[in-house]
Amino acid sequence: KQEVTQIPAALSVPEGENLVLNCSFTDSAIYNLQWFRQDPGKGLTSLLLIQSSQREQTSGRLNASLDKSSGRSTLYIAASQPGDSATYLCAVSMDSSYKLIFGSGTRLLVRP
Amino acid sequence: DTAVSQTPKYLVTQMGNDKSIKCEQNLGHDTMYWYKQDSKKFLKIMFSYNNKELIINETVPNRFSPKSPDKAHLNLHINSLELGDSAVYFCASTVSTSGSFSEQYFGPGTRLTVT
Repeated sequence: KQEVTQIPAALSVPEGENLVLNCSFTDSAIYNLQWFRQDPGKGLTSLLLIQSSQREQTSGRLNASLDKSSGRSTLYIAASQPGDSATYLCAVSMDSSYKLIFGSGTRLLVRP
Repeated sequence: DTAVSQTPKYLVTQMGNDKSIKCEQNLGHDTMYWYKQDSKKFLKIMFSYNNKELIINETVPNRFSPKSPDKAHLNLHINSLELGDSAVYFCASTVSTSGSFSEQYFGPGTRLTVT
């Protein structure tokens, strides 16, 4: 049974810092991996989708990497801003049904 | 111009009642999902429909019944509500192309409180 773990559960950094969020999964035979952000009381916003054949995806200040063999993905946020404060969720799908299995999230606070 | 919308946003009801949550997407997607986020913020899939056909049905009580009248809508009906049903319910959608899927887009959520 696939399990997705995100460490740390919470992170507080000063504005301007570069930071890395971690996601690990127990079954490496994933179909794809998606990173989301969730603001308090809001829905999820998709940040990046990495297909199983890809190693990384980039969007603006965000870079997500995928290492299937070790069961890990990282989300790198460059030059963090207070507006980046949110909960970041990692989710994997195991087959073409694209059922997402979520981690418990990392709650990020970027201090001005 | 909301992509995935849900109604209502908040729903407070008593135990034993029957309620429905509606979801609509205007993205032209053919696959829709219902997820439940519990009090610990853990998200778990409940159902998925592709072209109005049920393709994912997780271990969810029979009191929960999804209905997809067309590709743009996926509603969730809940019978005999229980305290443990209190959660935030999210609808999501995506498009499948030759068996592969693009990223999922989520609605704003419906916060259900059962008293």
